Amino acid sequence: ILNVEQSPQSLHVQEGDSTNFTCSFPSSNFYALHWYRWETAKSPEALFVMTLNGDEKKKGRISATLNTKEGYSYLYIKGSQPEDSATYLCAFPMDSSYKLIFGSGTRLLVRP
Amino acid sequence: DAGVTQSPTHLIKTRGQQVTLRCSPKSGHDTVSWYQQALGQGPQFIFQYYEEEERQRGNFPDRFSGHQFPNYSSELNVNALLLGDSALYLCASSLWPSTGTYGYTFGSGTRLTVV
Repeated sequence: ILNVEQSPQSLHVQEGDSTNFTCSFPSSNFYALHWYRWETAKSPEALFVMTLNGDEKKKGRISATLNTKEGYSYLYIKGSQPEDSATYLCAFPMDSSYKLIFGSGTRLLVRP
Repeated sequence: DAGVTQSPTHLIKTRGQQVTLRCSPKSGHDTVSWYQQALGQGPQFIFQYYEEEERQRGNFPDRFSGHQFPNYSSELNVNALLLGDSALYLCASSLWPSTGTYGYTFGSGTRLTVV
């Protein structure tokens, strides 16, 4: 059984704080690692799809790193803003069909 | 350019009834996947449709079935509803085989409540 673990489960930070959370996944048979941001009452939105060990991707104030050998990815948010409040999900494709196994998410709340 | 459209947004059904949920994929996408999200959990894969065929299936009973139409839209059917089927049902579309590069485009889901 493949498990994707995310930590912490929830996080409350002040506006301007930088924060990071972790996604752990099986390191064998790696295909890709997906990060999604899911704001309340909206659709999950793809942030990053990472495929190579050592990959580092950036989108504005959000960046992610990938270590496929040890099976983890970090998501960083620099200078958090209230609009960053969302649930951040990582997902690991089981095989080349890209059937995704999701973690249970990290729920971020940024206080003004 | 419309993204993924799901209908209805909310639905209340009685135990034992049957339900059909609908999904229109993002323009240009040909693959549709369905996920179930129970409270406090990450989305769980139900099945994936490509070229009007079920290509992959998750660990869900046969009460869950689906269909993909020639225009790539899809339906999810659940028979003999149980209280435990209450969840948010998400539809995700992609263009085969580029999901690995671009990820999925998700709809905002159908909230199903079984009473």
